[in-house]
Amino acid sequence: DAEITQSPRHKITETGRQVTLACHQTWNHNNMFWYRQDLGHGLRLIHYSYGVQDTNKGEVSDGYSVSRSNTEDLPLTLESAASSQTSVYFCASSESGQGWDEQFFGPGTRLTVL
Amino acid sequence: AQSVTQLDSQVPVFEEAPVELRCNYSSSVSVYLFWYVQYPNQGLQLLLKYLSGSTLVKGINGFEAEFNKSQTSFHLRKPSVHISDTAEYFCAVTRNGGFKTIFGAGTRLFVKA
Repeated sequence: DAEITQSPRHKITETGRQVTLACHQTWNHNNMFWYRQDLGHGLRLIHYSYGVQDTNKGEVSDGYSVSRSNTEDLPLTLESAASSQTSVYFCASSESGQGWDEQFFGPGTRLTVL
Repeated sequence: AQSVTQLDSQVPVFEEAPVELRCNYSSSVSVYLFWYVQYPNQGLQLLLKYLSGSTLVKGINGFEAEFNKSQTSFHLRKPSVHISDTAEYFCAVTRNGGFKTIFGAGTRLFVKA
């Protein structure tokens, strides 16, 4: 069965360190998304990609970057981790990227920045 | 710009009782509406969605939602809940013709025996 996997599932790091969260999907979807989930805020879009070599900023992109070198992977990098980036991060993908399309989510990565 | 308000952050309910999770949205244009469910330690999965047509939408696990354009609401209902329905539920909206989905803050449903 097709799926989205994220690694690691849990990560503890220190302020100022660079951190990369992996996302891998076997749906063969062109469209991939990164969200962060915080209490009281729901999910907020960090970055998204509509295909290889395409990346776009979402509403909370400061301090984060992504790159898309193939269809399957969209790694999220925190350039210099800050305590405000402690959160649960979800990767998602969709077939069409259109507004009416369902998104498929990974299991999440819980990141703690000390 | 669109926004989504989930009116209850937590809803406790006894097993086999009915439940309604409330969602209101704001948008100056027509929208697509979604309900997603997140079970503990898992990602979100789609419960149901409204694109057009009949305002009553049926989803998985016995859930349904009704689109009310005049009240800009999309409330989620289930006539009889089970312990296994304990989860967090997210309402989401995308502008018709747009591609960014806006999620509400979530409602945590606790089903008690």
